[in-house]
Amino acid sequence: AQSVTQLDSQVPVFEEAPVELRCNYSSSVSVYLFWYVQYPNQGLQLLLKYLSGSTLVKGINGFEAEFNKSQTSFHLRKPSVHISDTAEYFCAVSQRETSGSRLTFGEGTQLTVNP
Amino acid sequence: DTAVSQTPKYLVTQMGNDKSIKCEQNLGHDTMYWYKQDSKKFLKIMFSYNNKELIINETVPNRFSPKSPDKAHLNLHINSLELGDSAVYFCASSSWLPGDTEAFFGQGTRLTVV
Repeated sequence: AQSVTQLDSQVPVFEEAPVELRCNYSSSVSVYLFWYVQYPNQGLQLLLKYLSGSTLVKGINGFEAEFNKSQTSFHLRKPSVHISDTAEYFCAVSQRETSGSRLTFGEGTQLTVNP
Repeated sequence: DTAVSQTPKYLVTQMGNDKSIKCEQNLGHDTMYWYKQDSKKFLKIMFSYNNKELIINETVPNRFSPKSPDKAHLNLHINSLELGDSAVYFCASSSWLPGDTEAFFGQGTRLTVV
């Protein structure tokens, strides 16, 4: 079984400031790691994913995340945010070596970018 | 061209009614899912189908019955709706291949039971 903890339920920042959204996971098996974004009244869109290889993963819209195996973390960062980044962000895991893409999600972090 | 489409987008109904939500994907995937997002935005998997076969059933009341007529469609039928069923329901699809991991989500169906 696995679980995901997003350490901040709300993160308010000013436009053009850097931001970090924190995610820790727990699992008895190896996992893949994901960040999804949900804009208001919309579905989920994949921002980035870590499967293997380099621990620094770059995604869409200028976001990146770093996988830290020893700390079981997968924090999401952006050096300079825009108003349009205001959304709910979800960290998720799925089991390696398992067919399909059954996702276990964290509780979400609401990022609000203020002018 | 929408990859995963759900209908309807909004559904308001009275307690005790029966309703269905439809989902279709044109990505050629063989695995489809239903997730429920509650009022606190927490997402949890409900069901998964692979090639029309039920793979995952996550302790969901048996008032919820998924049906997959073919691998491109996964519908969700809910009997005797209760107030607690109010939520946003997301359909998703993915490949069944290990390592081909991205799940694609529909826009969601916001169900309100009054």
